[in-house]
Amino acid sequence: RKEVEQDPGPFNVPEGATVAFNCTYSNSASQSFFWYRQDCRKEPKLLMSVYSSGNEDGRFTAQLNRASQYISLLIRDSKLSDSATYLCVVVLFSGGYNKLIFGAGTRLAVHP
Amino acid sequence: DGGITQSPKYLFRKEGQNVTLSCEQNLNHDAMYWYRQDPGQGLRLIYYSQIVNDFQKGDIAEGYSVSREKKESFPLTVTSAQKNPTAFYLCASSRESGTGDQPQHFGDGTRLSIL
Repeated sequence: RKEVEQDPGPFNVPEGATVAFNCTYSNSASQSFFWYRQDCRKEPKLLMSVYSSGNEDGRFTAQLNRASQYISLLIRDSKLSDSATYLCVVVLFSGGYNKLIFGAGTRLAVHP
Repeated sequence: DGGITQSPKYLFRKEGQNVTLSCEQNLNHDAMYWYRQDPGQGLRLIYYSQIVNDFQKGDIAEGYSVSREKKESFPLTVTSAQKNPTAFYLCASSRESGTGDQPQHFGDGTRLSIL
């Protein structure tokens, strides 16, 4: 089983739609969680951290369920510019340092 | 502007050749990392360094080497022992924290191909 699993997509949605991405992780000792966004042939960029209480940043909402080892990202009112791959990232303290484990990403395509 | 600079953007390697990828940061971050990304896969850690003059192997260190002589710089050498070097290489840095709540920030990457 992969350490971090994501649905690869692609998710094809019209502008204005609400879309949700899910991510599961295998190690219950994982400490921190992030969502990154990666545009085609570019570097990943931090979208938001994910907190146990859930957090929101404009149109984006992230949720964490530690009991189910599940993270989600909700995007409301999708824009064309939201088209990208969304990477789920889990942090685990391993080998003396905080190791980031990346999911393979979920691709989103927003169309007019 | 503070950030992470990787160079070159594109690099071609001949068989049997070692090549070095540059990574410089002016964010005053202690920790630096090298990742490799292959199509359709997540990032995989090659090497990391938490302080100057110290570095550790990641999950796929074979065929690679690094140095950390300065806080700002963490060059990666892809040696001839790396038989499948074609990939997108990403350098990252972060503040260190005991709780792992500091995100990593990435350079814009180097694409390496075999000639």
